[in-house]
Amino acid sequence: DQQVKQNSPSLSVQEGRISILNCDYTNSMFDYFLWYKKYPAEGPTFLISISSIKDKNEDGRFTVFLNKSAKHLSLHIVPSQPGDSAVYFCAASEDSNYQLIWGAGTKLIIKP
Amino acid sequence: DTGVSQDPRHKITKRGQNVTFRCDPISEHNRLYWYRQTLGQGPEFLTYFQNEAQLEKSRLLSDRFSAERPKGSFSTLEIQRTEQGDSAMYLCASSPRTDRRTEAFFGQGTRLTVV
Repeated sequence: DQQVKQNSPSLSVQEGRISILNCDYTNSMFDYFLWYKKYPAEGPTFLISISSIKDKNEDGRFTVFLNKSAKHLSLHIVPSQPGDSAVYFCAASEDSNYQLIWGAGTKLIIKP
Repeated sequence: DTGVSQDPRHKITKRGQNVTFRCDPISEHNRLYWYRQTLGQGPEFLTYFQNEAQLEKSRLLSDRFSAERPKGSFSTLEIQRTEQGDSAMYLCASSPRTDRRTEAFFGQGTRLTVV
């Protein structure tokens, strides 16, 4: 049973436009969410996080939105740049433990 | 380089052999995690240390798997009697504080291939 789902395996976006990556979760006990980016042959690197007490968190070109009622979060990248081409993972945790539960990832391709 | 370091980067082993991976976390990070990632999937949690204490273990960690973190510094992950299903990328991560709302820093991983 996948508790964190990223239903789009890949996404192609024109450079300069907005990239929107989506993530759905099923566990209502999740209260902390993170996005990681991964380049080939490297480990994941942290991008941005959000606590369940917020519905938006912004850091430069990256904004994460959380809709708790829909159990949905999204990552917006504006404007998209060629260096943003990578696999993006959504991850979540609940208060009771330190495990991160990860989605399968979305490969983002930024076209010049 | 002051990031998380994993050794080896690649390991090919025959089924039934034992393998051991090493992870050196960022200096003074007291939390250390092991994850496993298979193709097309996100990382799956294996185990977590706070200093030298192993505090959480996933059901994925069968009795063929053992992890240690002596003295709360580097960590090793050993797989005994490897099986083809153990083929995966093994990722180590560390983080600096006990508050779980702190991002983890990942190493480049060890890719294990069991033939």
